[in-house]
Amino acid sequence: GQNIDQPTEMTATEGAIVQINCTYQTSGFNGLFWYQQHAGEAPTFLSYNVLDGLEEKGRFSSFLSRSKGYSYLLLKELQMKDSASYLCAVRMDTGRRALTFGSGTRLQVQP
Amino acid sequence: KAGVTQTPRYLIKTRGQQVTLSCSPISGHRSVSWYQQTPGQGLQFLFEYFSETQRNKGNFPGRFSGRQFSNSRSEMNVSTLELGDSALYLCASSLAGIGNTIYFGEGSWLTVV
Repeated sequence: GQNIDQPTEMTATEGAIVQINCTYQTSGFNGLFWYQQHAGEAPTFLSYNVLDGLEEKGRFSSFLSRSKGYSYLLLKELQMKDSASYLCAVRMDTGRRALTFGSGTRLQVQP
Repeated sequence: KAGVTQTPRYLIKTRGQQVTLSCSPISGHRSVSWYQQTPGQGLQFLFEYFSETQRNKGNFPGRFSGRQFSNSRSEMNVSTLELGDSALYLCASSLAGIGNTIYFGEGSWLTVV
């Protein structure tokens, strides 16, 4: 099955930039999602990449390299409210909507 | 535009009982998926429904079942509850196309005692 790897925890300073990496197995790949999840809340959609390159949305950007099985989420101008878990999820196989999630990266933003 | 709505938000059940959780997708969304989230296993896919038919199923025992109605609303049922079924159950919906964004509801917190 699919194996998705992302760091367990990261710490960054308010106002700084942080990059959260995600690697996955490339066979059957059909899209990659990033979600933000605050403790006790539901995942909130951040970005979707299906083609190679960088997608930018305000302070958040997401990059995908399909040949390398690699994505990253870039958070700029970090704010305290960005402290949350960031989930990388991959959709495999055309025709399936099921997502396989990584274990999530817990980001702690410090003042 | 209302988001994905799940009920109940919180519930406590006893081992051996059964539970039914409900999900109303975003208006116009015909695909509904269910996920289980636990601290140890993370987010795991349970099943997906589209046009009242189960399209995909994750690696869960037969005690976990679901259905979708003609208005796209969905229910999932867990029978013979076990302590390990305590989890956050998340419903997600999306438009029909494969490339569409998947949106999650706030979840149903199930505690089995």
